[in-house]
Amino acid sequence: NAGVTQTPKFQVLKTGQSMTLQCAQDMNHNSMYWYRQDPGMGLRLIYYSASEGTTDKGEVPNGYNVSRLNKREFSLRLESAAPSQTSVYFCASSEGPGQLDTQYFGPGTRLTVL
Amino acid sequence: AQSVSQHNHHVILSEAASLELGCNYSYGGTVNLFWYVQYPGQHLQLLLKYFSGDPLVKGIKGFEAEFIKSKFSFNLRKPSVQWSDTAEYFCAVNAPYGGSQGNLIFGKGTKLSVKP
Repeated sequence: NAGVTQTPKFQVLKTGQSMTLQCAQDMNHNSMYWYRQDPGMGLRLIYYSASEGTTDKGEVPNGYNVSRLNKREFSLRLESAAPSQTSVYFCASSEGPGQLDTQYFGPGTRLTVL
Repeated sequence: AQSVSQHNHHVILSEAASLELGCNYSYGGTVNLFWYVQYPGQHLQLLLKYFSGDPLVKGIKGFEAEFIKSKFSFNLRKPSVQWSDTAEYFCAVNAPYGGSQGNLIFGKGTKLSVKP
């Protein structure tokens, strides 16, 4: 099992450009998440998908959109990148909302917006 | 709103020293508690978790954590650290029956540097 995979690993964008970060999991998990990690800020939830066909905003959704393509895949799109979106982006997945839920993380995408 | 506080931003220890990293959360209901570790350049890995039962939880690589409900704390400990423990450690909480649909709330992290 690969677990949670993310592409690309690194990306440099110019202000105003758009891009999509891809995430896939092979653990048959129901829920998937996108976080951003900034120095001294910990991880902050951008969007999540509790189950296939649903998506909801997290703590910092502005400037982002998501698509839950199917049960395996959850993509994050930046329509018009800004320098404030320079960050490391992590995707995670879990079995689903519930008392014993545990999230598993992908390797991350390091994004720089110039 | 729920929050998680990690008291130390950066801890520097020598090998074989004992470690305790503090974590406090603010939520009065049922919680699940986690410690994740992020080694340099790598993704987050689950170190240990508490759902219920024995409040002393043992994780991988000799780490343990104690849930003290009355203090809203979940401190991470290791009796003797190694250079390979150099990493950033994140405490996280979710409230499965709370208003945030059970999403994880992370602390800001504690960087641990172990000198050989």
